[in-house]
Amino acid sequence: SQQGEEDPQALSIQEGENATMNCSYKTSINNLQWYRQNSGRGLVHLILIRSNEREKHSGRLRVTLDTSKKSSSLLITASRAADTASYFCACSNDYKLSFGAGTTVTVRA
Amino acid sequence: DGGITQSPKYLFRKEGQNVTLSCEQNLNHDAMYWYRQDPGQGLRLIYYSQIVNDFQKGDIAEGYSVSREKKESFPLTVTSAQKNPTAFYLCASRLSGSGETQYFGPGTRLLVL
Repeated sequence: SQQGEEDPQALSIQEGENATMNCSYKTSINNLQWYRQNSGRGLVHLILIRSNEREKHSGRLRVTLDTSKKSSSLLITASRAADTASYFCACSNDYKLSFGAGTTVTVRA
Repeated sequence: DGGITQSPKYLFRKEGQNVTLSCEQNLNHDAMYWYRQDPGQGLRLIYYSQIVNDFQKGDIAEGYSVSREKKESFPLTVTSAQKNPTAFYLCASRLSGSGETQYFGPGTRLLVL
């Protein structure tokens, strides 16, 4: 069953702008992960945030987690054309991942 | 050069035919996973294996079968019982105790003729 739900479904921004996408989930999790998928390719892991963490940074990525609201957000700062991809949140429980439908981000030059 | 390989990149299936998708990893990972992705949707778990000679059904196992005879290999067979097999299939692996990050192969696109 798909636990994570991303919002918005699609996002179009200008190069240099920030992109924010949100993920909501239903049941308790061990951690929440974000992955990127370029068209027709496999997924690439971006960042993992544990259930006892509230915020995490990795380069231009910032992830927040609010377990009381069962939600997470991914912020990509200073976007580049190469950031054009689909982004998925994945809820981790019992060594399995449950993915949302993803947010498709298009960065315009 | 370590990683996960999937073959073939494209696979065509005729009605009533079983086809097998290959997934190999040289990362020495214990756990392996098979997912199905339909257009505009997220990944759904078909089968997973935490250790050699053991595997469990995921959310959509009907019409699929797997084996895990070697640590580095986890082939997926799409049987004729799977009525809607057209999809993008992704294999992933995970090192036990790694915090549950999964590493994905490049995928196989299965099309029905």
